[in-house]
Amino acid sequence: GPKVLQIPSHQIIDMGQMVTLNCDPVSNHLYFYWYKQILGQQMEFLVNFYNGKVMEKSKLFKDQFSVERPDGSYFTLKIQPTALEDSAVYFCASSLPGGISYEQYFGPGTRLTVL
Amino acid sequence: GEQVEQRPPHLSVREGDSAFITCTYTDPNSYYFFWYKQEPGASLQLLMKVFSSTEINEGQGFTVLLNKKDKRLSLNLTAAHPGDSAAYFCAVSAYSNYQLIWGSGTKLIIKP
Repeated sequence: GPKVLQIPSHQIIDMGQMVTLNCDPVSNHLYFYWYKQILGQQMEFLVNFYNGKVMEKSKLFKDQFSVERPDGSYFTLKIQPTALEDSAVYFCASSLPGGISYEQYFGPGTRLTVL
Repeated sequence: GEQVEQRPPHLSVREGDSAFITCTYTDPNSYYFFWYKQEPGASLQLLMKVFSSTEINEGQGFTVLLNKKDKRLSLNLTAAHPGDSAAYFCAVSAYSNYQLIWGSGTKLIIKP
């Protein structure tokens, strides 16, 4: 079936540095999402993105976070600067446009460790 | 906002037995309901999506029940087999947005 890829699978970074998480969505999908899962806790919605714009974001999507998909390439989540509480697994997802009824396809996650 | 509670966090059943996982939600405007399966090291895989108007949905080896009155969504795996060992997550969304609100997950182990 359709696959979403995430690069890298693991990232270790010092607090205060910048990190970019990359997502390669399903090729004909137009909606993109980021979710955050702290170890042992539930997955939480961060942001969704369509037509070059953030459509919805949660309170977890701090000012230090940004997303973009330049020229149809990777959909990226950038954190600058990173903080200890940003340590988590970040899942990217993509879907067809048309509403929440369309299935979101998930990547395998990027485990981010901030030291 | 919407809150989703999932129980149990861990579940161990013998091969061939049933496994029952439940989520309760708070927002009466919730309209779409999802069950995802995540095997170790793998992506989340959609098992089933349920719309507000449907109460019972049957998949391959499992049944999803939606009780709107009690705001309860459940997943019943019938005749569990080792391939069912995974983490299971429910997710809920309102009609008008694209956000999934997640349960905390159930780690299911099938014992031989």
